[in-house]
Amino acid sequence: EERLVESGGGLVQPGGSLRLSCSASGFTLSGNYMSWVRQAPGRGLDWVSLMYSGGDRYYADSVKDRFTISRDHSKNTLYLEMSRLTVEDTAVYYCAKGPNMDVWGQGSTVTVSS
Amino acid sequence: QSALAQPASVSGSPGQSISLSCTDTSSDVIRSDYVSWYQQHPGRAPRLLIYDTVKRLSGVSGRFSGSKSGNTASLTISDLQPDDEAHYYCYSHTGGSSLRVFGGGTKLTVL
Repeated sequence: EERLVESGGGLVQPGGSLRLSCSASGFTLSGNYMSWVRQAPGRGLDWVSLMYSGGDRYYADSVKDRFTISRDHSKNTLYLEMSRLTVEDTAVYYCAKGPNMDVWGQGSTVTVSS
Repeated sequence: QSALAQPASVSGSPGQSISLSCTDTSSDVIRSDYVSWYQQHPGRAPRLLIYDTVKRLSGVSGRFSGSKSGNTASLTISDLQPDDEAHYYCYSHTGGSSLRVFGGGTKLTVL
């Protein structure tokens, strides 16, 4: 069974940094393109970033130059490094597999607050 | 304001058919055939229903179908069931780029 499990969320002050992890099982992460999607409290889904299997990376304008998507083949894990966080980054962050996002994790909650 | 406009809410009765629309307001997104639809129940992760505009994910009920006309994609749900009450989101590429966008979502209420 293909599965994704996010971790690393928590409470961080404005201007701070956090790294989210997305551990994959049942498939090889490096052979797939992977995305991060977030959802602010009471709001809709918001595309954040994607990484193609070949390594090309793309970001939403709202996070470009602050967030970095990466992966560790040996750990079959996807990451999202977030810096210069603002209250607007408060959300549940999901990782998802493939161009159609057919497998999703359960989400990791990031709260940016002083 | 998303480039993909969805009505905020739609309602229907059990057994009815309803269609949820997703309109490209920028004329730059739904030219492609890469529209996906997701269902999200409260407190749960989204679930893929339809991809490539018209293809149903294996295991998804045949009551769900996707279509497109001009700059509007649609998700049709037939024989509405109480468990269909959820939020529904469309998703696609921005034309000519590798960026992605979600519609604002539609809350479906089954009366």
